Amino acid sequence: AQTVTQSQPEMSVQEAETVTLSCTYDTSESDYYLFWYKQPPSRQMILVIRQEAYKQQNATENRFSVNFQKAAKSFSLKISDSQLGDAAMYFCAYRMLTQGGSEKLVFGKGTKLTVNP
Amino acid sequence: SQTIHQWPATLVQPVGSPLSLECTVEGTSNPNLYWYRQAAGRGLQLLFYSIGIGQISSEVPQNLSASRPQDRQFILSSKKLLLSDSGFYLCAWSVGGGSNEQFFGPGTRLTVL
Repeated sequence: AQTVTQSQPEMSVQEAETVTLSCTYDTSESDYYLFWYKQPPSRQMILVIRQEAYKQQNATENRFSVNFQKAAKSFSLKISDSQLGDAAMYFCAYRMLTQGGSEKLVFGKGTKLTVNP
Repeated sequence: SQTIHQWPATLVQPVGSPLSLECTVEGTSNPNLYWYRQAAGRGLQLLFYSIGIGQISSEVPQNLSASRPQDRQFILSSKKLLLSDSGFYLCAWSVGGGSNEQFFGPGTRLTVL
């Protein structure tokens, strides 16, 4: 079964510095998608970044980038130049296909990021 | 553009009472729809998903049920709430197939007393 593990329940970073959030997953599939979602205090889930497993190039979205290591089944998120607005819960998610013809996301338990001014 | 609505935003219900949470999506047709529950301090757990009207798949056995009476409407229900049903309920939608992300609604905070 596919599982997603986030080993850091909490992380903190100084404003303007860089932080890396870890995520590992377990799968027997060769083609899949991985996501990082952000959940600020408002509880709204917001997509941060997406990675297709067949792409060797790491995805980048402005200050957010990933280090995707397919063989190691690792998918870490790097936040550069951290801002106060980055403070949130961050969830790593794996997209898998269902037998019913849909797809579903399997989430890790999340990492709470605190940004210190 | 597509939007997703959930209501109510918060709900306090006694044990044993019924439940109905509603989710609607605008600006798209035939979306895949999902209900997730987020317990305090934990990640999201998929409860139900639907690929079309009247088509519901359940992920975990529980006290809840889901229905999809219209293409862009997804309802989460219970006949008798339990204390363990308390949590934050999120509805999401996606376009079927491909690398499509899921888009989440604002959520409903349910407290069962």
